[in-house]
Amino acid sequence: AAGVIQSPRHLIKEKRETATLKCYPIPRHDTVYWYQQGPGQDPQFLISFYEKMQSDKGSIPDRFSAQQFSDYHSELNMSSLELGDSALYFCASSLLTSGRRPQETQYFGPGTRLLVL
Amino acid sequence: AQKVTQAQTEISVVEKEDVTLDCVYETRDTTYYLFWYKQPPSGELVFLIRRNSFDEQNEISGRYSWNFQKSTSSFNFTITASQVVDSAVYFCALSEVNTGGFKTIFGAGTRLFVKA
Repeated sequence: AAGVIQSPRHLIKEKRETATLKCYPIPRHDTVYWYQQGPGQDPQFLISFYEKMQSDKGSIPDRFSAQQFSDYHSELNMSSLELGDSALYFCASSLLTSGRRPQETQYFGPGTRLLVL
Repeated sequence: AQKVTQAQTEISVVEKEDVTLDCVYETRDTTYYLFWYKQPPSGELVFLIRRNSFDEQNEISGRYSWNFQKSTSSFNFTITASQVVDSAVYFCALSEVNTGGFKTIFGAGTRLFVKA
């Protein structure tokens, strides 16, 4: 079965540079989520989109922005990168089957490992 | 506020031993989902199980079993006859349907080492 695709898998950037992470959800899934997992930590929710609209926002820095496109893929844009942004960034997708409330399991992609030097 | 506590930071067992990973959660929502995810050394998050708050039936899937007890707000995970390939970090997670928005809250994770 098709899974969530994330690109790139690995990314090395310097401080103050920008980075764009891409996420392609499981086909027919309409909701995308972004999580950040620092070294030795649990994944922290950043932001989510349902039907191309932002549906929820977590601890996402103002330097980061994201959007979901008409084909449901999503991009996380990160500017003015800091050393502390080094982490594993996960995208997850799900299909909302009951109104606008998240009822379904979030399936995670393999993650993008970002290293900021 | 929602919270997931995995008190065991690391567990080390010898192959073929049984091991139980504890998970305690806090929520004020009446409807919620609990999950277990596995994160092997390669880094991906692998979905293992989802349980909704209305279903307290225990579940067994091969060597895995889950014990959901609403009275103690616990959702423990047992691996029977552990194998080296079970070595990973295991996360318990909570998603509140009515009040939690779209986010899933993870516990800190339990790192399981299974030695041959």
